[in-house]
Amino acid sequence: DAGITQSPRHKVTETGTPVTLRCHQTENHRYMYWYRQDPGHGLRLIHYSYGVKDTDKGEVSDGYSVSRSKTEDFLLTLESATSSQTSVYFCAISDPRGLDNEQFFGPGTRLTVL
Amino acid sequence: SQQGEEDPQALSIQEGENATMNCSYKTSINNLQWYRQNSGRGLVHLILIRSNEREKHSGRLRVTLDTSKKSSSLLITASRAADTASYFCATDERANSKLTFGKGITLSVRP
Repeated sequence: DAGITQSPRHKVTETGTPVTLRCHQTENHRYMYWYRQDPGHGLRLIHYSYGVKDTDKGEVSDGYSVSRSKTEDFLLTLESATSSQTSVYFCAISDPRGLDNEQFFGPGTRLTVL
Repeated sequence: SQQGEEDPQALSIQEGENATMNCSYKTSINNLQWYRQNSGRGLVHLILIRSNEREKHSGRLRVTLDTSKKSSSLLITASRAADTASYFCATDERANSKLTFGKGITLSVRP
């Protein structure tokens, strides 16, 4: 998976608890992304980062925050998890050069909020 | 909002047949990409076609792009059971490093 790891791979938590998902890359790519994948919705962008401490919102950012203190790590935090945040979360990286923006994906984290 | 819309939503074919999947989009793009996702795995990049290209080949894959119709097609020739997966198109809009993914097509290749 192109030097991308996600942790944890599976997590079950309760409504109202904070949750942090970690994405770690060894490719030194500048851009990192967090997506969620739900049946009937495909992949939707939550937040992305275009450099250390540089982040921006995606399509479905409400209820999520991110941080990137190092090139290799991108953290996604659910401050107070809700059942609607039950999903599979994917991290992706890219290193856009010229006109291309091919993305490489991690293996995913399956999160269940009870 | 979804930029790319794939068609059909599901496709079932016999091994050895060709599989054609279509993607339509709404706005101007810099490039269009196709990804594959095997069950329980992350997405894998298959092929990228730029807005100034009309056709591209990679092994058994052939992708076309018609910017006047805002559509693309992915052809997998001589399909194999191992091609069974979900396929997504993704558009890279101009001056934007984000990709917008469609909802995906489920391809089943029967042995």
